Amino acid sequence: QQPVQSPQAVILREGEDAVINCSSSKALYSVHWYRQKHGEAPVFLMILLKGGEQKGHEKISASFNEKKQQSSLYLTASQLSYSGTYFCGTGASGGSNYKLTFGKGTLLTVNP
Amino acid sequence: DTEVTQTPKHLVMGMTNKKSLKCEQHMGHRAMYWYKQKAKKPPELMFVYSYEKLSINESVPSRFSPECPNSSLLNLHLHALQPEDSALYLCASSQPGNSPLHFGNGTRLTVT
Repeated sequence: QQPVQSPQAVILREGEDAVINCSSSKALYSVHWYRQKHGEAPVFLMILLKGGEQKGHEKISASFNEKKQQSSLYLTASQLSYSGTYFCGTGASGGSNYKLTFGKGTLLTVNP
Repeated sequence: DTEVTQTPKHLVMGMTNKKSLKCEQHMGHRAMYWYKQKAKKPPELMFVYSYEKLSINESVPSRFSPECPNSSLLNLHLHALQPEDSALYLCASSQPGNSPLHFGNGTRLTVT
């Protein structure tokens, strides 16, 4: 089942913060986050496993709350290079990432 | 530079043509994937190969035929496609299990 992402789009000025949410109606084992720039391949950002752990990648971090069946991606002090579409991907319970289902994406635009 | 290489980058084919998309990775990954992505949509899983064996077929029409000749190569054979099959076809690889997906830059397919 496809996870739900919000917001659908967000526009920031350089240096501002943003939060992207990903939720599922089914129990989650893990959440993947990817960023795709226009005309390019999706690029892996991080994986979160159940346990509520928070991971970081540069100034991008994420949390995973398996009880609430949701994950949030935090972008702090945004840079122009952060622009792109962010997808969360959720794997079915059991640990396999083979059937990773992506949300519809959040288009992030960072302006000077 | 992506470590997953896809050829060709662009392909235009008629509905009666037969063509193949190719994907190669040298990261030692034993899982390989085909995804289809329409404009402004998330990638949709088509096929998964694990240890060179087809493990998942997401009810893809038979006009798409995958092949995994060895652990580094993945092909997608196309025959009698429809205009609605026009899309970006992404190949990805990963270690088996809950691991990051590494995407190629894709083949942009147009069916006329």
